[in-house]
Amino acid sequence: DADVTQTPRNRITKTGKRIMLECSQTKGHDRMYWYRQDPGLGLRLIYYSFDVKDINKGEISDGYSVSRQAQAKFSLSLESAIPNQTALYFCATSDVSSGANVLTFGAGSRLTVL
Amino acid sequence: AQSVTQLGSHVSVSEGALVLLRCNYSSSVPPYLFWYVQYPNQGLQLLLKYTTGATLVKGINGFEAEFKKSETSFHLTKPSAHMSDAAEYFCAVTITGGGNKLTFGTGTQLKVEL
Repeated sequence: DADVTQTPRNRITKTGKRIMLECSQTKGHDRMYWYRQDPGLGLRLIYYSFDVKDINKGEISDGYSVSRQAQAKFSLSLESAIPNQTALYFCATSDVSSGANVLTFGAGSRLTVL
Repeated sequence: AQSVTQLGSHVSVSEGALVLLRCNYSSSVPPYLFWYVQYPNQGLQLLLKYTTGATLVKGINGFEAEFKKSETSFHLTKPSAHMSDAAEYFCAVTITGGGNKLTFGTGTQLKVEL
């Protein structure tokens, strides 16, 4: 099984719908992140969490929310999806003890908003 | 805030030729620098990282990068390209004490031709 598992891998939805992307990890890492990838823009940080009680906004958090249900689970929600949220979403984890913050990525969740 | 700039969104080389992917960074404090690779339909994988110490760092699959403070650069090289190197490559930067969040470049798509 993958160290970082994202579900669903692909999702097509309509404008205005609520969507949840889920991430679970078996790495035992304390830090978890959600990034969004768009062609030509690279990866941009949406939210990050350093432990269950710590949630922080990234550079593009508007229109998104997150929940850290447990150390191993970090969900990203789009309360009312819009077409410009069509993107590839990545969950990542890291271990504070690694010092230089090496990220372990999931395989991605491709979201299309019609 | 720190940032990275990747020069060239697409690079094409012949199999066996030198690979050179360019990355310049901006940071007011000593940075940690990374190269990640993304193969089609997969998440990102760490190729190599620079934290402190030796400025020439070696990574997986024969890649290496040199940290040049005077040029604010961290270019990725491989002496001889292989077809399997075709992928998208991302340079990233973080700093200590900055929440250890990675800032990614916009990516360079490497094409390897016969």
